[in-house]
Amino acid sequence: LAKTTQPISMDSYEGQEVNITCSHNNIATNDYITWYQQFPSQGPRFIIQGYKTKVTNEVASLFIPADRKSSTLSLPRVSLSDTAVYYCLVGESGGSYIPTFGRGTSLIVHP
Amino acid sequence: EAGVTQFPSHSVIEKGQTVTLRCDPISGHDNLYWYRRVMGKEIKFLLHFVKESKQDESGMPNNRFLAERTGGTYSTLKVQPAELEDSGVYFCASSQSVRGNYGYTFGSGTRLTVV
Repeated sequence: LAKTTQPISMDSYEGQEVNITCSHNNIATNDYITWYQQFPSQGPRFIIQGYKTKVTNEVASLFIPADRKSSTLSLPRVSLSDTAVYYCLVGESGGSYIPTFGRGTSLIVHP
Repeated sequence: EAGVTQFPSHSVIEKGQTVTLRCDPISGHDNLYWYRRVMGKEIKFLLHFVKESKQDESGMPNNRFLAERTGGTYSTLKVQPAELEDSGVYFCASSQSVRGNYGYTFGSGTRLTVV
């Protein structure tokens, strides 16, 4: 399984754009990159998934360079409700893949 | 579409007692996973079902933990007898079996406290 490295914590202010970068140097050809968000007392929630280049949905954008050894989750104009832990997961999507969580990045958004 | 449902949401039991956690996955999801997060630690994989079969149970801590998924629908995780170190939040997740699907859906978890 590809090991991921991401910041332990980040702080931001309402209205700012937040970028969280995840390193996954030994990502495999069949691996997807998936980001999850977790609020206290809740299970992780899927945010976005990508394989290469850029993916955008109503919540976030995911930037993946050509070598795929890293990825950046971009949250535009964060609000207080975006305070959560964000996890970067790398692996095959579906099938027998077992999502493996690291420590994640604790994002705190300040007023 | 209903999400992954877990209950109870909280359970407090005494050491030595038995507790059974239940997970109802999204209808049609063949893959079902159990995870646990002990306070201050990472979310750790426990086991994986494909329909009613245990595909991977390498994360189960010991034989006091028994997971079942009869009929390939809901799943139960029984802890018997419970120990203090079993305290934590137990998450269940489900996914479709088609490769390339968009992520896994997690339940809200069951917070287990053993006293």
